[in-house]
Parts: sequence; C-alpha cells; structure tokens
Amino acid sequence: GAGVSQSPSNKVTEKGKDVELRCDPISGHTALYWYRQSLGQGLEFLIYFQGNSAPDKSGLPSDRFSAERTGGSVSTLTIQRTQQEDSAVYLCASSLGLALGAQYFGPGTRLLVL
Amino acid sequence: DQQVKQNSPSLSVQEGRISILNCDYTNSMFDYFLWYKKYPAEGPTFLISISSIKDKNEDGRFTVFLNKSAKHLSLHIVPSQPGDSAVYFCAASGGSQGNLIFGKGTKLSVKP
Repeated sequence: GAGVSQSPSNKVTEKGKDVELRCDPISGHTALYWYRQSLGQGLEFLIYFQGNSAPDKSGLPSDRFSAERTGGSVSTLTIQRTQQEDSAVYLCASSLGLALGAQYFGPGTRLLVL
Repeated sequence: DQQVKQNSPSLSVQEGRISILNCDYTNSMFDYFLWYKKYPAEGPTFLISISSIKDKNEDGRFTVFLNKSAKHLSLHIVPSQPGDSAVYFCAASGGSQGNLIFGKGTKLSVKP
C-alpha cells in the first residue's frame, strides 16, 4: 500500500517569503506528526494531530510556524516570513493512533531559505 | 537537555560481524522505544521496537535489548551487511507524550 507522501520534495525560497509543505498520511492512520531535521542534528518534534482532538503544538519553534489537518487526513505545515535558520528537512509521519505502534515517515521536504 | 542520547556518532564494522548500536535515555516515563534507519535523502525507515514490559525483541537479523534499570537500549545486527550502512536513530515515547524523542543518530559503515 501507499506510504506517507510529502510535497514538494525540495523547496528553495527567499528570506521573508511564506512556504507551505504538504503531507498525505497512510490511509487509516489517525495520528499525524511533523518533525524537522537540521544539518547534523537529530529529528526535532514540531506538532502532532490525533483525530479530532486539538493538536499538540508544543514543539513549534515560533509563531511563524502553523499547521492544519483537513478532514482528518492531509496536513499542511506553513512557515511565514521564512528565515535562514528555517532551512532543514521537514518530515511528516503517521501512525495508527497516538502513541500506538510505530510512526511511519515520508521522504521529507528539503527547505532552503536563501 | 537531551533525553535520548546516542554517544557514538559513527561505527565501522566488517561485513558478517555483529554491529552493536547503543542508546541511553534519561526520562523514566518512556515506555516505548524504536530504532529507525535513514539513508541520505530519504525519510527514516522503521526497523524494530520494544515496549518497556519486555527486555528483548528480535526480528530477523535485528535484535533490540532494553535495560530499564540502566536506562539503556541497544540494537544488534547480525550478520552485518554492506546494505546496512546508514544512519541509525534511537527514539522513545511515553506517558502522555505522543511524539517521539530522537537521538542524534549513529552512522554505521559496514565494510565488505
């Protein structure tokens, strides 16, 4: 079956512009997570969604970052007024339920802010 | 404050031998542990997991050991193959926390 998909695979933008990153989770997975990996670092949690519950936004680094999940499926991560330190690989994962089984990751979106 | 630590940034092993990757954690609320493998330009791939009620879980060439008293887990790969060369991440979750906490990874190189 289809895994987690993300688009775009690469994004180059200028400092100050807004970007939107998209994630399609595995069908039937109710939990969806966003992480990012900066150069030479581990994966850093950003936000997760579980069903219709309010998302856990505790990992978002600033109010320039926001995310939505429409219809319990597709999610969009938006970064407003991008900064150079936002350059990273943004990874989306999904799981059957919150803290239920393994999280399965997409290929990531490589964001470069010039 | 790192809650999950992988103290070896790299490891080199000869093909056919055992690879042992180590991971330490500090949060006693963690009750579920996972290992992921990551190739360059790809997302992490789930390898194997273990619940805190067990001390060992085996899947083919991969075995994860958990020592709760030492807050330590390890991944054994036997026999190691050149295709195992990748970055391995240890991750943990627990309590009310739904997200995973990752270590910084260990780069494994398996030499033919």
